[in-house]
Amino acid sequence: KNEVEQSPQNLTAQEGEFITINCSYSVGISALHWLQQHPGGGIVSLFMLSSGKKKHGRLIATINIQEKHSSLHITASHPRDSAVYICAVNSNTGNQFYFGTGTSLTVIP
Amino acid sequence: EPEVTQTPSHQVTQMGQEVILRCVPISNHLYFYWYRQILGQKVEFLVSFYNNEISEKSEIFDDQFSVERPDGSNFTLKIRSTKLEDSAMYFCASSEGLAGPTDTQYFGPGTRLTVL
Repeated sequence: KNEVEQSPQNLTAQEGEFITINCSYSVGISALHWLQQHPGGGIVSLFMLSSGKKKHGRLIATINIQEKHSSLHITASHPRDSAVYICAVNSNTGNQFYFGTGTSLTVIP
Repeated sequence: EPEVTQTPSHQVTQMGQEVILRCVPISNHLYFYWYRQILGQKVEFLVSFYNNEISEKSEIFDDQFSVERPDGSNFTLKIRSTKLEDSAMYFCASSEGLAGPTDTQYFGPGTRLTVL
């Protein structure tokens, strides 16, 4: 079973495009994380959300707790944004972490 | 900038052997985590550690696995008798813990474990 579902699985965009990656989850959560995994494998935390919206540079993350849904937006995409974006949640029962399968983003110059 | 470090970067072992993967979390962090990622698959949570004991563990973290903080800086993952299916990238992470286990986590570069 997949507690966290992401869409799309793969995404190719032209440089400058606005990008949206979606995450839906089926468990009660205390927090949701957006992570970026680089081609070399390293993982960087982008956002941690428990409600509302956060913005950092060209990245915006939103969460709707009632709908159990989060989105990650990238404005003015750039080839250096090419990576796998992973949604992960802290379950509010027992503090388990559940990960989505990731969205592989390629931004073409 | 402080970072989480992991050693070795790549470990090759024979099936049935014990391996110890090492991590040095960021020095003022209170929560520590191990994750694994089998090639081509999603990241999976193994265990979290706080106040010198396991805080939470997943179904994957069975009796084959153990974690330890042997001194003030290292955090280790031991696999007692490795199986072929233990081959994966293992990531260590740490967080400040001021907001409990939901804090932002900082990941190490990973150790690639290959079991032959």
